[in-house]
Parts: sequence; C-alpha cells; structure tokens
Amino acid sequence: ETGVTQSPTHLIKTRGQQVTLRCSSQSGHNTVSWYQQALGQGPQFIFQYYREEENGRGNFPPRFSGLQFPNYSSELNVNALELDDSALYLCASSLAGLAGQETQYFGPGTRLLVL
Amino acid sequence: DAKTTQPTSMDCAEGRAANLPCNHSTISGNEYVYWYRQIHSQGPQYIIHGLKNNETNEMASLIITEDRKSSTLILPHATLRDTAVYYCIVRVGVDYKLSFGAGTTVTVRA
Repeated sequence: ETGVTQSPTHLIKTRGQQVTLRCSSQSGHNTVSWYQQALGQGPQFIFQYYREEENGRGNFPPRFSGLQFPNYSSELNVNALELDDSALYLCASSLAGLAGQETQYFGPGTRLLVL
Repeated sequence: DAKTTQPTSMDCAEGRAANLPCNHSTISGNEYVYWYRQIHSQGPQYIIHGLKNNETNEMASLIITEDRKSSTLILPHATLRDTAVYYCIVRVGVDYKLSFGAGTTVTVRA
C-alpha cells in the first residue's frame, strides 16, 4: 500500500453535472499529480499541484481544475461533465526537491461514469 | 508523447524469470527510466527506476545498456500475482509528469 487514498471509489454522474474527487497524499509528501485513464489506455497527466499552486498541466480543458490544501491533500473538479470524461481518475503523491528521486506513488483511483 | 517502445504482450511461466524489454533510443543524458505496473483496475504501482547503473530492489532488477538506449526489467521469480500491465517511462528528473504509453501486458501462467 502506498498510503495514498482517494474518495469516492466509484461515482455515477449525468452529462452536464459537476464532480469533485478527493485525494490524501502519503505522509511527508508535498506534491500531488492527477491522471485520467480511459478504458484500455495508459494514464494521461492532467495537472500537478505543489505548495497549493498548479505546477504543470497536460492537454486538458479549463473545466478540469484542482486545489491543494495546506495539509497537501487535493481535489480534482470537473465541470460540465461529458460522456468522454468517464474514466479512472488517479492521484499520485510525491516529495518534490530531490531531483530524479521524485517518485510518484499512486492511489487506487476513482472510477467515474458519466451517463 | 511516450518516448519508449515495449512489446504489446508477453507470457511467462510461474516461477521463472520474466524479462521485459524497453527501447528508449532517444533518451537524453538526464532522463531516468522508470517502471510501473498496473494490476487490473488498480492504481499503478512503482517498481524501480534508474539513470545509468543497474538497480535492484525487493521487487525487481533494472538492467540499462551502456548506451542507455534500452533496458530490461527482470522479475526474478514470476508469480501469478505479477500478471499486470508493465509501463516503461522515460522521465527527466525534475519533470512533473509521467508519460505512460500502452505498456506490456504480462500474463504469468501456472
């Protein structure tokens, strides 16, 4: 176990709704990254948060947004849900500052189904 | 924008060593090779990483060629629980993201 937890485990929403997914990072880690994994594909990077600020972003529209809190936990918010947003959403935590050693440890994921 | 090439799938026998190849011919001097695996519907699990020296931990060994253009992940004694998709990722040390490709689906057979 990595010590990274995510909630909820599963979620069903309808098109146009908004969703918030949560992640608690491993103890001592200060960076959280979010990934989207569609069925049958590898995870795709959404964004990363470090010191409560976005530290990098993948090719995802602005309706994907996030927050990081002082305790380093994080939220992923998706507005105006589309059918293609159905996926496994993964959170990974790491400790920034040791170049080359910033190994990311993943949580179990949240499976989102948009109907 | 994955920078690695892996076989789509491979089988191995339980109890035998599993050797998973990865080609990264365009790797730069400051880029690390990372390996993760993902068991069905779970989050990816970190296995090992290295820069240019061979590395070993309790899970696996990573052999990187001298020119660093390819590497091999070795699972010394494969078990049925090692059945998973294995991802080889090339990553700059301070890069903030992992770029996953399609990976290799490894099936361990009894």
